[in-house]
Amino acid sequence: NAGVTQTPKFQVLKTGQSMTLQCAQDMNHEYMSWYRQDPGMGLRLIHYSVGAGITDQGEVPNGYNVSRSTTEDFPLRLLSAAPSQTSVYFCASSYKNRAGGWNTEAFFGQGTRLTVV
Amino acid sequence: GQQLNQSPQSMFIQEGEDVSMNCTSSSIFNTWLWYKQDPGEGPVLLIALYKAGELTSNGRLTAQFGITRKDSFLNISASIPSDVGIYFCAGQLRSGGSNYKLTFGKGTLLTVNP
Repeated sequence: NAGVTQTPKFQVLKTGQSMTLQCAQDMNHEYMSWYRQDPGMGLRLIHYSVGAGITDQGEVPNGYNVSRSTTEDFPLRLLSAAPSQTSVYFCASSYKNRAGGWNTEAFFGQGTRLTVV
Repeated sequence: GQQLNQSPQSMFIQEGEDVSMNCTSSSIFNTWLWYKQDPGEGPVLLIALYKAGELTSNGRLTAQFGITRKDSFLNISASIPSDVGIYFCAGQLRSGGSNYKLTFGKGTLLTVNP
């Protein structure tokens, strides 16, 4: 009954370091996405994937890479961390809903709090 | 890109009061969603709306999909202390193959005084 699992929960990086935020879901959902949440900004889409081997950019993709080699995993990579990437990152997964082919981010992970100094 | 205006930004109410919040958009959506986020947690889906005019309830929560498809509201009746949190609206528009992107409002922070 894990749902969407994100690791780590907290991370501090130095400017210029790289790291990968992990996201795994055990619900066999086709659709996965990454958001960042900043105070007063709501949730902004970074990257998303509609299935293994398929990824696309969201609203704020710069500085981040993703890959989707399996249905279960959708890691987010920060290539060279910058203070502007200090944020809370959420991974989400979803399934086709009753409207037919339309997908909702129904399940979110608990988030990764990232600080870049 | 699409913009969602969610109001109010924050609300302070007494336990037992009813609450209403809404979202408006500059463009139409085909799906409206309402989420609640507790401190330190990820958002949890409360209600999903798929058709203009649709009115849906989930316990003490009621949400409606506006007829113009550019707005939605969420009502909470007889508020209790555990209703405290941030409420987000989100809209989804089917656009060619990109029928899975959500646009989120900036949230309404709800505080309930016992």
